[in-house]
Amino acid sequence: AQSVTQLDSQVPVFEEAPVELRCNYSSSVSVYLFWYVQYPNQGLQLLLKYLSGSTLVKGINGFEAEFNKSQTSFHLRKPSVHISDTAEYFCAVSDFQNDMRFGAGTRLTVKP
Amino acid sequence: NAGVMQNPRHLVRRRGQEARLRCSPMKGHSHVYWYRQLPEEGLKFMVYLQKENIIDESGMPKERFSAEFPKEGPSILRIQQVVRGDSAAYFCASSPQDRTISYGYTFGSGTRLTVV
Repeated sequence: AQSVTQLDSQVPVFEEAPVELRCNYSSSVSVYLFWYVQYPNQGLQLLLKYLSGSTLVKGINGFEAEFNKSQTSFHLRKPSVHISDTAEYFCAVSDFQNDMRFGAGTRLTVKP
Repeated sequence: NAGVMQNPRHLVRRRGQEARLRCSPMKGHSHVYWYRQLPEEGLKFMVYLQKENIIDESGMPKERFSAEFPKEGPSILRIQQVVRGDSAAYFCASSPQDRTISYGYTFGSGTRLTVV
């Protein structure tokens, strides 16, 4: 079965600074990878997904992620964050068995 | 075109009562997933259902918790004899029958259960 590890539970960063949220996965088969964002008291929204093809995936709100098969990673990046990016970010993995597993989440706090 | 609808948004129950959480998937979606998010923790998979079938309940506690997705009507997550430790946000997600992997899941806004 697949699993996801998000290495940082909290990431504080100043506004306009770059940020990287780390995600590693384990699976015995090919996987699809996702990043979701959860704003306070809301549900999850899909930020971006990797299915196949180019390993650099661009998502909404200026975020992007790079799939690295050799390192089994799918780190999320943004070159310049805004206050409004403060949220919880979840990495998720899914295989052909039609199921999705989430990491524990990384709380991004953007300070002015 | 409504998304995944969960109700109620907030639910307060006394210890020992039953909690019923409802989830109506997006139109055209026949797969439903329930997740639990405990305070300061991530999402934990609970159960995966298709119409009238439980496909994977490996994340469901063995006692007091049950789920169903009838032919007609919403999916129901039922928690009997609630305890304080059941206080959490419960999220439902749905996916299309044949596009699950490509489209990811669509999530509802959750039901926040508080047991007092």
